Amino acid sequence: NAGVTQTPKFQVLKTGQSMTLQCAQDMNHNSMYWYRQDPGMGLRLIYYSASEGTTDKGEVPNGYNVSRLNKREFSLRLESAAPSQTSVYFCASSQLDPGTQYFGPGTRLLVL
Amino acid sequence: KNQVEQSPQSLIILEGKNCTLQCNYTVSPFSNLRWYKQDTGRGPVSLTIMTFSENTKSNGRYTATLDADTKQSSLHITASQLSDSASYICVVSAGGYNKLIFGAGTRLAVHP
Repeated sequence: NAGVTQTPKFQVLKTGQSMTLQCAQDMNHNSMYWYRQDPGMGLRLIYYSASEGTTDKGEVPNGYNVSRLNKREFSLRLESAAPSQTSVYFCASSQLDPGTQYFGPGTRLLVL
Repeated sequence: KNQVEQSPQSLIILEGKNCTLQCNYTVSPFSNLRWYKQDTGRGPVSLTIMTFSENTKSNGRYTATLDADTKQSSLHITASQLSDSASYICVVSAGGYNKLIFGAGTRLAVHP
């Protein structure tokens, strides 16, 4: 039982490049979330998926897209990376709305 | 505007000592308040969740209190250990998948 896994752990991109952050959970949770964490700030919600087949914007969705591939997997895509997207990205899942959230280990992204 | 403010920003204590972290919030409507522990380089882990009707909840050496009238919460750590060195994040839910308001956290360092 791995909980929430994220890949990659660390990535360096050049401005304008694209990439997809992967997230998977093995707890059979309905809801999944993508957050970003910046120094001195609280986590901010980018997108969430209340259940398989649905996705909705959070507080800071600009520059990102998501896909809820199935109940287990929720990916975050940066189409054209910008330095402002340098951050640590966390995926989380929960069974209830929004019950106890379980977070992945994070992806550290540096955009040059 | 919904806000969660934590104090102090950082704290250093000696192993074995107690400490109390503070959280003030202006979130409406109020659904529940959570405390998370985040070790360096890892995702947050839930410590406690309290609803409006609960004013104290414990998880081992961690005790959270909630005063819904003054909109304040505290996290008390008893007999600190080196492994308590982490950031502690207060989160208030206004209800719903996209309504979690995260504080910036208090960074605690426990020294031998």
